[in-house]
Amino acid sequence: GQNIDQPTEMTATEGAIVQINCTYQTSGFNGLFWYQQHAGEAPTFLSYNVLDGLEEKGRFSSFLSRSKGYSYLLLKELQMKDSASYLCAVRDSNYQLIWGAGTKLIIKP
Amino acid sequence: DADVTQTPRNRITKTGKRIMLECSQTKGHDRMYWYRQDPGLGLRLIYYSFDVKDINKGEISDGYSVSRQAQAKFSLSLESAIPNQTALYFCATSDLHSGDTGELFFGEGSRLTVL
Repeated sequence: GQNIDQPTEMTATEGAIVQINCTYQTSGFNGLFWYQQHAGEAPTFLSYNVLDGLEEKGRFSSFLSRSKGYSYLLLKELQMKDSASYLCAVRDSNYQLIWGAGTKLIIKP
Repeated sequence: DADVTQTPRNRITKTGKRIMLECSQTKGHDRMYWYRQDPGLGLRLIYYSFDVKDINKGEISDGYSVSRQAQAKFSLSLESAIPNQTALYFCATSDLHSGDTGELFFGEGSRLTVL
């Protein structure tokens, strides 16, 4: 079966750096997405990786290793507003999105 | 105003009632989706549509039906609601040509409670 694994919850300190990991086993691969979802709100697109390597976008970076079925989202200079759930999703060979359950990130002052 | 609008935002209903959740979008996207989100689970696809004449079942379509009334409108119906359909429902849109990522744009969500 298809599976996306990411930690359920993480805690970090304001101003610090946190890395959220995602491992996947899917039928084919056509890209990996990270979305941010604040409590009670809609998910919003953060990043997209289709080739191996690091994609940087401001304070957020996303890394992909297709051979290892692995990605991470790196958040730098954490702010209280970064408290949210972070969803990893993989597009499979049928161009369907397979979603992880999300990682709830708690930022402490 | 939101580009993807869902109504109602919150609904409490009883077992056996018919419920319709509506979604409209101003993004001009051809592709529309309905997902449900439950605590501890990933988003699960219910139905999707790539244009007005196209309807496809997703991972968990049993107990649901949809209607694509126009490019901008995609409705989800629960013919006879049951308690395990209590969830947060999201409508989403995408455009294959939006930067080649096909990223999804979500509505604000409709929280449905079935008693």
